[in-house]
Amino acid sequence: QKEVEQDPGPLSVPEGAIVSLNCTYSNSAFQYFMWYRQYSRKGPELLMYTYSSGNKEDGRFTAQVDKSSKYISLFIRDSQPSDSATYLCAMATSGYSTLTFGKGTMLLVSP
Amino acid sequence: DAGVTQSPTHLIKTRGQQVTLRCSPKSGHDTVSWYQQALGQGPQFIFQYYEEEERQRGNFPDRFSGHQFPNYSSELNVNALLLGDSALYLCASSLGLAGGPVETQYFGPGTRLLVL
Repeated sequence: QKEVEQDPGPLSVPEGAIVSLNCTYSNSAFQYFMWYRQYSRKGPELLMYTYSSGNKEDGRFTAQVDKSSKYISLFIRDSQPSDSATYLCAMATSGYSTLTFGKGTMLLVSP
Repeated sequence: DAGVTQSPTHLIKTRGQQVTLRCSPKSGHDTVSWYQQALGQGPQFIFQYYEEEERQRGNFPDRFSGHQFPNYSSELNVNALLLGDSALYLCASSLGLAGGPVETQYFGPGTRLLVL
């Protein structure tokens, strides 16, 4: 079993839809949870960062962490074609440790 | 601020050859981490350099080695290339011992390596 599981998609939605992206994990030592966006042929760009459980909102993006279920989510409201990218979840055991990534979910938002 | 830069952008090698990839960290950053991202996969941690020493290493064979220079730039070397080494190689820079808070890791655009 991989430490971090993420459905690779692709996930296709129309413009304006609410998008839900998810990851599950097996290592209960993970404390830091990140979402990265990666456009084609580019490096990952940090979108959201959450410590431990709870919700965090930033504009159209909301990150949720449920440590009891070992499940994290990223919601994108009012999705735009420019949101089309691969979304990677990543986790770390401490603020100074290396990152463990999921496979990434490819999102396609059509106009 | 140029951010993290990597060179070359693309590279084609044949099996058995050796390759060197280069990374310049974001201005002010002193720690460099290298990741391998195979097609359709998430990045996998290779190793991390701080103060010119390898501080952490992922599950990669000794064919993968690195170096950090006094100006904090870094090189990733891969010997005896295998077809399975074909991937996007990402460099991430951060500030502080052991990579700094995870939210401050900045990734470069990567070097795409194809092994034939």
